[in-house]
Amino acid sequence: DTGVSQDPRHKITKRGQNVTFRCDPISEHNRLYWYRQTLGQGPEFLTYFQNEAQLEKSRLLSDRFSAERPKGSFSTLEIQRTEQGDSAMYLCASSSDRVPFYSPLHFGNGTRLTVT
Amino acid sequence: GENVEQHPSTLSVQEGDSAVIKCTYSDSASNYFPWYKQELGKGPQLIIDIRSNVGEKKDQRIAVTLNKTAKHFSLHITETQPEDSAVYFCAATGYSTLTFGKGTMLLVSP
Repeated sequence: DTGVSQDPRHKITKRGQNVTFRCDPISEHNRLYWYRQTLGQGPEFLTYFQNEAQLEKSRLLSDRFSAERPKGSFSTLEIQRTEQGDSAMYLCASSSDRVPFYSPLHFGNGTRLTVT
Repeated sequence: GENVEQHPSTLSVQEGDSAVIKCTYSDSASNYFPWYKQELGKGPQLIIDIRSNVGEKKDQRIAVTLNKTAKHFSLHITETQPEDSAVYFCAATGYSTLTFGKGTMLLVSP
């Protein structure tokens, strides 16, 4: 178990640019989640996948945000035309639906985005 | 949707003291309540969780209690150590995604 891996760890970009983050979940986990965390707040849900299907999206996920999980393995989160309000830590988590009842989320160490 | 309130926002204790963090939730359908610890520069790490069919769970120095009638749950840390200093988050869910509280910064002074 190598844990959830996120890349890059830090990203600084200018307003209006596009950015893409990658998440590699724990290999046997079929569920993958994206959360956003701003300073002094708890993680806020953005979207989640079961295998390759995107099953739920938060209203926080504007049309500038898109997430994919091709082949049900790694996932990417793209933000187009970044705004300063997009500055945050973007957290990825994974879990398994093969565990009875609710399976805990395992988080990566996040990608910190700064939009200047 | 679910709303989770957490308090206090900061908690300072002396090493060896106990610490208690409390959360309330709004959705009576919620049935899973994890607690996460987040250290600086890292993602949240699960430290303990409880399901709605039990009222209390303990793991060494950490315990969680759940009162479904009142819709609140608490984290108890005994014999605190400096390495317990971190931000702690409670969360709740029914059959959808986790909703987190805003966090409690715990500072344990030697």
